[in-house]
Amino acid sequence: DAGVTQSPTHLIKTRGQQVTLRCSPKSGHDTVSWYQQALGQGPQFIFQYYEEEERQRGNFPDRFSGHQFPNYSSELNVNALLLGDSALYLCASSFDRLVLNEQFFGPGTRLTVL
Amino acid sequence: GNSVTQMEGPVTLSEEAFLTINCTYTATGYPSLFWYVQYPGEGLQLLLKATKADDKGSNKGFEATYRKETTSFHLEKGSVQVSDSAVYFCALMGSGGSNYKLTFGKGTLLTVNP
Repeated sequence: DAGVTQSPTHLIKTRGQQVTLRCSPKSGHDTVSWYQQALGQGPQFIFQYYEEEERQRGNFPDRFSGHQFPNYSSELNVNALLLGDSALYLCASSFDRLVLNEQFFGPGTRLTVL
Repeated sequence: GNSVTQMEGPVTLSEEAFLTINCTYTATGYPSLFWYVQYPGEGLQLLLKATKADDKGSNKGFEATYRKETTSFHLEKGSVQVSDSAVYFCALMGSGGSNYKLTFGKGTLLTVNP
């Protein structure tokens, strides 16, 4: 049973560029959440997608956007990259109908902005 | 809003020592509480959870009890091993129908020496 997968593993971009990160949820899961983890910090919630719609959003600017596809996979897009966007981006999947929709995390994508 | 405060690290112990990592939270209602572990270069793995007051979560020798009166969820292990070296995150998920995000503490780095 494949867990949550993310691609790419590492990415280097320059300021002002745009980036797309990808996530495939664990088998049987229908909900995807994205988190940003800066070095030495805990993950910060960006947003969650369910039924192809953004269901909840954290305190991130509109430069951060996402998408969920009919097969439940998801993309995170970041426009006009800033140096401060350098972080580990974590995807987590869950199954909405569970009472406690426990989130399972992928290994992350390490984004470096130069 | 919701917040989690956990013990500042790093924590360095010898093998077979007793471990406590303190975690307190601020939230309305009855949040669910979690401990996640992050091994070097990996994503987060759920270690244990508790969903209501006085629940005790346990896994791999680790334990934590949901204490509503002190708003705490301290992580303990009676005898740590070198393989327990990792970063530990305390987290909560708020109660209520529109709370889907995990709120994390900053993490505590544990190093266990042989």
